Amino acid sequence: QQQVKQSPQSLIVQKGGISIINCAYENTAFDYFPWYQQFPGKGPALLIAIRPDVSEKKEGRFTISFNKSAKQFSLHIMDSQPGDSATYFCAASGSYAGDYKLSFGAGTTVTVRA
Amino acid sequence: DAGVIQSPRHEVTEMGQEVTLRCKPISGHDYLFWYRQTMMRGLELLIYFNNNVPIDDSGMPEDRFSAKMPNASFSTLKIQPSEPRDSAVYFCASSLWDLDYTFGSGTRLTVV
Repeated sequence: QQQVKQSPQSLIVQKGGISIINCAYENTAFDYFPWYQQFPGKGPALLIAIRPDVSEKKEGRFTISFNKSAKQFSLHIMDSQPGDSATYFCAASGSYAGDYKLSFGAGTTVTVRA
Repeated sequence: DAGVIQSPRHEVTEMGQEVTLRCKPISGHDYLFWYRQTMMRGLELLIYFNNNVPIDDSGMPEDRFSAKMPNASFSTLKIQPSEPRDSAVYFCASSLWDLDYTFGSGTRLTVV
């Protein structure tokens, strides 16, 4: 049973558009929410991460929005570029509770059309 | 640092054979994780170590799977005997306490 539910499974966006990926969780002990980017033939790479003491974190064109009461968080990719075409995974863990393993969502394949 | 190094990159073996996957974590990282990735099940945690000690092996599918970390710079994941359903990409990752995982490039295992 996946502890983090991710949607959509895939999306297509035009160059310059906004990509939005959503994740939801049930475990209230989760306190760390990273996003990973994976290109074909490569391992996932950390993109951006947030802890629940803030509602939003921005790094360049990537923004995480976090809603603690709804137990949801999302990744926004602004001004999407063809180089952003990849699979994106959300994840969660409860490090403050001593749980150092990440539970990953199922992944979203993003295709940016030029 | 060269990052997390996994070997081999590809492994094709016959059903029933023993398979050993290897991982060298980033120097100084005290957490090491083994994940398996398939289309059907996504990224699944198999086992993780802290300071070379196995902490959680609840994801290891069955007794055919075993993992060791004899020192801070080396870990192995062994499958004996291998079965076709073990075909997947196996990733090793390491991190500090901050959980910023660095993944290796993975080993693509095919069992025929």
